[in-house]
Amino acid sequence: AQSVSQHNHHVILSEAASLELGCNYSYGGTVNLFWYVQYPGQHLQLLLKYFSGDPLVKGIKGFEAEFIKSKFSFNLRKPSVQWSDTAEYFCAVHPGFADKLIFGTGTRLQVFP
Amino acid sequence: NAGVTQTPKFRILKIGQSMTLQCTQDMNHNYMYWYRQDPGMGLKLIYYSVGAGITDKGEVPNGYNVSRSTTEDFPLRLELAAPSQTSVYFCASSYSIAGGNEQFFGPGTRLTVL
Repeated sequence: AQSVSQHNHHVILSEAASLELGCNYSYGGTVNLFWYVQYPGQHLQLLLKYFSGDPLVKGIKGFEAEFIKSKFSFNLRKPSVQWSDTAEYFCAVHPGFADKLIFGTGTRLQVFP
Repeated sequence: NAGVTQTPKFRILKIGQSMTLQCTQDMNHNYMYWYRQDPGMGLKLIYYSVGAGITDKGEVPNGYNVSRSTTEDFPLRLELAAPSQTSVYFCASSYSIAGGNEQFFGPGTRLTVL
């Protein structure tokens, strides 16, 4: 079965630290990839997405993600986190022409000043 | 555009009661989805619809029903509420699966069943 794995369940960082959140998926065909963010008490918002082209994707608020097809990965990065980045982050995969997205279980990020 | 709207925002039900969670989108999206979110479990797909009159089960459909009589509305019905249905429910919509199925989410409904 198709699945998405986010290995980091809970990450705690200090402000200005660098961030990398892992995302791996199990699907051998064409995929579209997403990172969503959910700030405390809010709904999910799109952070960035990969459809095709440059595998390094830049999103809002200084986030970026790199699609490495050979590793089935789409890791999220940010060079210097801020307290306002405290949120839950979800990786999602759209395999082929499926009717739905497959979400990972999420990574909770806490950033301390 | 209001995007995806959900009502109510909060609700407390007693075991065995029924209710309908409302979801409306004004983006003329064909695809609509209902998810539940439980702590540490991510998002689980309950039901989805690829257009008016068409619905299909997701991962966790038991205890829920949906209908899609119009493009805009996709209500989720709980017939006999159980404590296991305590969760946060999100509705989402997308225009097309071609090119990626980017989904837009509503603000959520927090449901407690006692």
